[in-house]
Amino acid sequence: ETGVTQSPTHLIKTRGQQVTLRCSSQSGHNTVSWYQQALGQGPQFIFQYYREEENGRGNFPPRFSGLQFPNYSSELNVNALELDDSALYLCASSLEGPRTEAFFGQGTRLTVV
Amino acid sequence: AQSVSQHNHHVILSEAASLELGCNYSYGGTVNLFWYVQYPGQHLQLLLKYFSGDPLVKGIKGFEAEFIKSKFSFNLRKPSVQWSDTAEYFCAVNQAGTALIFGKGTTLSVSS
Repeated sequence: ETGVTQSPTHLIKTRGQQVTLRCSSQSGHNTVSWYQQALGQGPQFIFQYYREEENGRGNFPPRFSGLQFPNYSSELNVNALELDDSALYLCASSLEGPRTEAFFGQGTRLTVV
Repeated sequence: AQSVSQHNHHVILSEAASLELGCNYSYGGTVNLFWYVQYPGQHLQLLLKYFSGDPLVKGIKGFEAEFIKSKFSFNLRKPSVQWSDTAEYFCAVNQAGTALIFGKGTTLSVSS
C-alpha cells in the first residue's frame, strides 16, 4: 500500500452531471497530481497542486478543476460530464523537489452513461 | 511536444524467458526516468527510477533498466520472467519535479 487513498472507488454518472473525486495524500507529502487513464492508455496528466496552489496543468478543459486543502488532501471536480470522461482517475502524492517519486492511489473508476 | 514511446503494446512470454521492454522519450535537458507496473486490480507501483549517476538501475523483483542518453532510451529488462510478472508496464519521464509523462503502456502476459 502507498498510503494514498481515493474515494469513491467506482462511480456511475449521467452525461451533463458534475462529479467530485477525493484523494488523501501520503503523510508528509505536500504535492498532489491527478491523472486520467482511459482504457488501454497510459495515465494523462490533468493538474498538480502544491501547497494549495495549482502549479501545472495538462491539456484538459476548464471544466476539470481541483482543490488542495491545508492537510494536503485534494479534490478533482468535473463539470458537464461527457461520455469520453469515462476513465480511471488516479491521484498521486509526492514531496516537492527536482528528484521525487510519485505514489499512486488505487484510482476512481468513473463511468459516464 | 514532450512524449514517451513504448514500442511493444503486448508481449507474450513463457516463464523463464528474458524480457526487454523498450522506452524512448523526446525531451531536451535533464530528465528523471521511471518504470511503473500495474498488476490487475492494483495501483501503480514504482519498479525503478533513474535520477542521475550509474545508468544501469536495479529495481524491485529482479527488474533493471539502462539509461542510454544518446538514444533517449530507458529500456526495462528482466533475465527470467515469472507468471506473477503478468501486468501492465509503464515508462514515465519528468523534469525537475514536474508532472509525469507516461507512455501508453505494455501489457506483459507470462504463461506458466
